[in-house]
Amino acid sequence: NAGVTQTPKFRVLKTGQSMTLLCAQDMNHEYMYWYRQDPGMGLRLIHYSVGEGTTAKGEVPDGYNVSRLKKQNFLLGLESAAPSQTSVYFCASSYGQGGNQPQHFGDGTRLSIL
Amino acid sequence: KNQVEQSPQSLIILEGKNCTLQCNYIVSPFSNLRWYKQDTGRGPVSLTIMTFSENTKSNGRYTATLDADTKQSSLHITASQLSDSASYICVVRSGGSYIPTFGRGTSLIVHP
Repeated sequence: NAGVTQTPKFRVLKTGQSMTLLCAQDMNHEYMYWYRQDPGMGLRLIHYSVGEGTTAKGEVPDGYNVSRLKKQNFLLGLESAAPSQTSVYFCASSYGQGGNQPQHFGDGTRLSIL
Repeated sequence: KNQVEQSPQSLIILEGKNCTLQCNYIVSPFSNLRWYKQDTGRGPVSLTIMTFSENTKSNGRYTATLDADTKQSSLHITASQLSDSASYICVVRSGGSYIPTFGRGTSLIVHP
């Protein structure tokens, strides 16, 4: 049981380049989330999805797009990377949004924008 | 605006000692509070969850408390081990919201 798998684990981009981060979960979870984690900051929600085919904006959505074409996958795209997007990106999934359901996190993608 | 404040920001203790981490929150309406442990280079992992009616909950050497009146929670670690070195994150969820509020975490270092 792999849980939440993020690819790639590391990436270096030049300003203006585009890329897609992939998150896959094998727990049949409905809810999926993308966060970024910066030094001295808490995890900040970028976008989230409450089910296949749905997406919604979180706290810091500017500069990012997402897609949830399949229930098990949640993609995060950077159309034109900027140095301010240098961060560690975490994907998470949960069975439900409320109640006592924990979020299960991947091990992150470390992204540097030069 | 919902807020979660954690203290201390960092903590260094000797192996075998106890420690207590604090979490203060302003979240309305309150649904639950969860403590996560994040090892270096890994994603956060849930340690325990506290709901409104719970005051204390233990998970091995970890004991969480919740005071809903003062909007405070603590995480007590007993007989610390080197493997306890990590960041501990307090996360509070409000009722009906998809977006949890994360604290900035307390970085704990346990020295031999």
